[in-house]
Amino acid sequence: AQSVTQLGSHVSVSEGALVLLRCNYSSSVPPYLFWYVQYPNQGLQLLLKYTSAATLVKGINGFEAEFKKSETSFHLTKPSAHMSDAAEYFCAVSTGFQKLVFGTGTRLLVSP
Amino acid sequence: NAGVMQNPRHLVRRRGQEARLRCSPMKGHSHVYWYRQLPEEGLKFMVYLQKENIIDESGMPKERFSAEFPKEGPSILRIQQVVRGDSAAYFCASSPGTNNNEQFFGPGTRLTVL
Repeated sequence: AQSVTQLGSHVSVSEGALVLLRCNYSSSVPPYLFWYVQYPNQGLQLLLKYTSAATLVKGINGFEAEFKKSETSFHLTKPSAHMSDAAEYFCAVSTGFQKLVFGTGTRLLVSP
Repeated sequence: NAGVMQNPRHLVRRRGQEARLRCSPMKGHSHVYWYRQLPEEGLKFMVYLQKENIIDESGMPKERFSAEFPKEGPSILRIQQVVRGDSAAYFCASSPGTNNNEQFFGPGTRLTVL
C-alpha cells in the first residue's frame, strides 16, 4: 500500500523567498509521484510528475521537485515565491493504473 | 481539447434526497476516477472505472453510494438518501490509461446537504 506524508499544513514565505514544501512517500514498488496545486474553489492542476526518468523534475510556474529514493522524498521547491503561488499543494503517489493516494495538503501563504 | 467536465458545479440537497453527479472525461480517455474532498482535508479515492466496468471501489462507502460509466454518456456518481456528512467536494479525474497514470481533474461538484 502507498501513503504520503506532507509535513506542515501551512507554510508562510515572503514574496521572492525560497519555497520548500515537503513530501515523503511510502511504496512497496517503484512509485509515480505527483504534485498538484489547488486554488480556492477550483479543481486540481498538475504541477509536475516523476515517472522514473530524471530524478529532478521541472514543472510549470517555475516549480521543480527532486526524487530521492534513499530518503523516500519528493520535495517541491521554487527559488522565488510570487503572490500568485498562494494556494493549496498536494503531493500524491500511485503505481501504474491505480488510484492516486494524496497527502493532506500544504497551504502556501505568500506575504508581500 | 476540452478538459474534464463535471456538472453540476454546485448541488444542494435536503437530507434523504438523491444526489447525482456527472463527469465527462477528456476526449480519448477511458479511465475515470472519483475522489471526495471533505472540508480542510485532502482528496480521498472513492472509485475507479473503465467503460462499463468498475475496476476498484475500495474507497466507496458500502451503502448509499454507487457509480457507473456506461458505454455511452458520462460517468455518474449517485448518492442515495443523502446525509449532512455527505457534504463535500466531489472531483472526477480521467486518464488515457498510459502507464504513468497521469490524471486530469475536473472542477468538482460541491454538494451541500441541508
